[in-house]
Amino acid sequence: GAVVSQHPSRVICKSGTSVKIECRSLDFQATTMFWYRQFPKQSLMLMATSNEGSKATYEQGVEKDKFLINHASLTLSTLTVTSAHPEDSSFYICSARRTVNTEAFFGQGTRLTVV
Amino acid sequence: TQLLEQSPQFLSIQEGENLTVYCNSSSVFSSLQWYRQEPGEGPVLLVTVVTGGEVKKLKRLTFQFGDARKDSSLHITAAQPGDTGLYLCAGEAWVDSSYKLIFGSGTRLLVRP
Repeated sequence: GAVVSQHPSRVICKSGTSVKIECRSLDFQATTMFWYRQFPKQSLMLMATSNEGSKATYEQGVEKDKFLINHASLTLSTLTVTSAHPEDSSFYICSARRTVNTEAFFGQGTRLTVV
Repeated sequence: TQLLEQSPQFLSIQEGENLTVYCNSSSVFSSLQWYRQEPGEGPVLLVTVVTGGEVKKLKRLTFQFGDARKDSSLHITAAQPGDTGLYLCAGEAWVDSSYKLIFGSGTRLLVRP
């Protein structure tokens, strides 16, 4: 299967600072990338859908100014958590797919802790 | 809003027992996928079902897609401790002018040796 890499795998930041998480498709070009958030012992909640070269589409209830998503190339999407607060602490997971209706490959996730 | 409900939410069984996990929705999906996730890792795809009524087998795991493509089930035969994990169904749907992969609520399985 194709490989999707997330970086960093773990990050601890101070409240009020911003954190950037990268999602890279290593061996394929991804026209679409998805960002999910997962709280302990819960399922994945879709935050936004990112298409290369266009603005991300955010799910209802997700603040676009707080969770900045950039998909500038076919192999890289970034999620920036701005002015992080302890309640933003969570497991963030990205997935990438070549085209619509093809298999989505998942990154290994990023554990964000805001102190 | 596309909602996928999984049941049970948690299942603790003895090694060797059989189990079935259900994934239900009132919405129709173009395909449905089952994933397994280990703590601290991303989900790993087990199977994709596309056709209504489709049945797929993966060793001791049997997956079925409902005739109306609204529900699915995962049956595990003779469960082993290595099957322990979080099982997630996910439906592919056209929502708000784009295809999205929506995850179910998850089933946490514990297989006791």
